[in-house]
Amino acid sequence: GQQVMQIPQYQHVQEGEDFTTYCNSSTTLSNIQWYKQRPGGHPVFLIQLVKSGEVKKQKRLTFQFGEAKKNSSLHITATQTTDVGTYFCAGPLQGAQKLVFGQGTRLTINP
Amino acid sequence: NAGVMQNPRHLVRRRGQEARLRCSPMKGHSHVYWYRQLPEEGLKFMVYLQKENIIDESGMPKERFSAEFPKEGPSILRIQQVVRGDSAAYFCASSKTPTDTQYFGPGTRLTVL
Repeated sequence: GQQVMQIPQYQHVQEGEDFTTYCNSSTTLSNIQWYKQRPGGHPVFLIQLVKSGEVKKQKRLTFQFGEAKKNSSLHITATQTTDVGTYFCAGPLQGAQKLVFGQGTRLTINP
Repeated sequence: NAGVMQNPRHLVRRRGQEARLRCSPMKGHSHVYWYRQLPEEGLKFMVYLQKENIIDESGMPKERFSAEFPKEGPSILRIQQVVRGDSAAYFCASSKTPTDTQYFGPGTRLTVL
């Protein structure tokens, strides 16, 4: 079936190291959205990408949408302890009538 | 503009009891989604509702679980005869359109003793 896949499932880094999570869809997406869930919290919307090849930045976070609009990535430069949490991508798969979330990448950081 | 509201935030039930979880979407949002999350796991889609209609319930267990979103009032997720395996965080989200950004409530943490 149509899916949104995220890798890796878990990532542990030293504070100051970079981090990247990848999102792949089995079908073309009209847009891709990223959410962050802090430990004990709820998912919070970060950003939406719409255009093929689009790149957006939020401080140390860089979001990319692939040329074919089937994949996306979130890169964090020089991680800080405040970056800890689970990052989810989500996209409206064709015919799904709703957003489909990836499994999430859980980021932990060694201070 | 108040965000998505869920209550109660924490709910403790004994096996066999009923659990009722409530969700009030953001103002102007008519699309509501329920997700279940086990500790250290991802979001599992349960059901998608629009006012008075269930649009997609592909993630709902066939028995004991039901959801509604009446014309007036909050959306309700109802779990009958709860079992220990129902213990989880249940999140509600709402959106303006089916593929628009979803705004999540703080969740209800259900513990079944």
